[in-house]
Amino acid sequence: DTGVSQDPRHKITKRGQNVTFRCDPISEHNRLYWYRQTLGQGPEFLTYFQNEAQLEKSRLLSDRFSAERPKGSFSTLEIQRTEQGDSAMYLCASSLLGFSGNTIYFGEGSWLTVV
Amino acid sequence: GENVEQHPSTLSVQEGDSAVIKCTYSDSASNYFPWYKQELGKRPQLIIDIRSNVGEKKDQRIAVTLNKTAKHFSLHITETQPEDSAVYFCAASLLLSGGGADGLTFGKGTHLIIQP
Repeated sequence: DTGVSQDPRHKITKRGQNVTFRCDPISEHNRLYWYRQTLGQGPEFLTYFQNEAQLEKSRLLSDRFSAERPKGSFSTLEIQRTEQGDSAMYLCASSLLGFSGNTIYFGEGSWLTVV
Repeated sequence: GENVEQHPSTLSVQEGDSAVIKCTYSDSASNYFPWYKQELGKRPQLIIDIRSNVGEKKDQRIAVTLNKTAKHFSLHITETQPEDSAVYFCAASLLLSGGGADGLTFGKGTHLIIQP
């Protein structure tokens, strides 16, 4: 197990296009989170799943953002009709609730540039 | 919702000296306070955390203290080394619908610079 992995690591897209990021959590982690980080700021919480259930999505930035975790394993974050303000790093994280508490492990992130 | 303030934004110390980074939080219900270290272009990595039933926790050169009454928590790094140079983020747990106190609210970060 090599930790949380994200794909792609870098994405350049034209404004108005849709993009999708994939996250593979640490094996057997039942919680999966998505954050956004812009330069000079801390990560900003977007949404999270417990197994396949999305337990919090009110903090998704707009209705252009959606996330899925259909089988309780990997997750995808989709941004529709991208805008320049969406340029940021999108971080995925996972944790195993109930075992060692709430320690959250982050992936390396997916950098998005909207041109 | 929760709000976390972090100070200073930049901290420069001489190698071997101590560094202290301070955070305050707004939601008295928060009960989990981790600290993450992030090197340029890398993932945030957990370095230490503390839960609200503990006032202090130490791990080698790193320690965290928590004052629940004042809603303050601090990171202390002793005998700083060049590899300690990075951005450090404090965070507080956020109570979410569906249970669990693990949606983190982060501070804006402190850029720690260790001068040789």
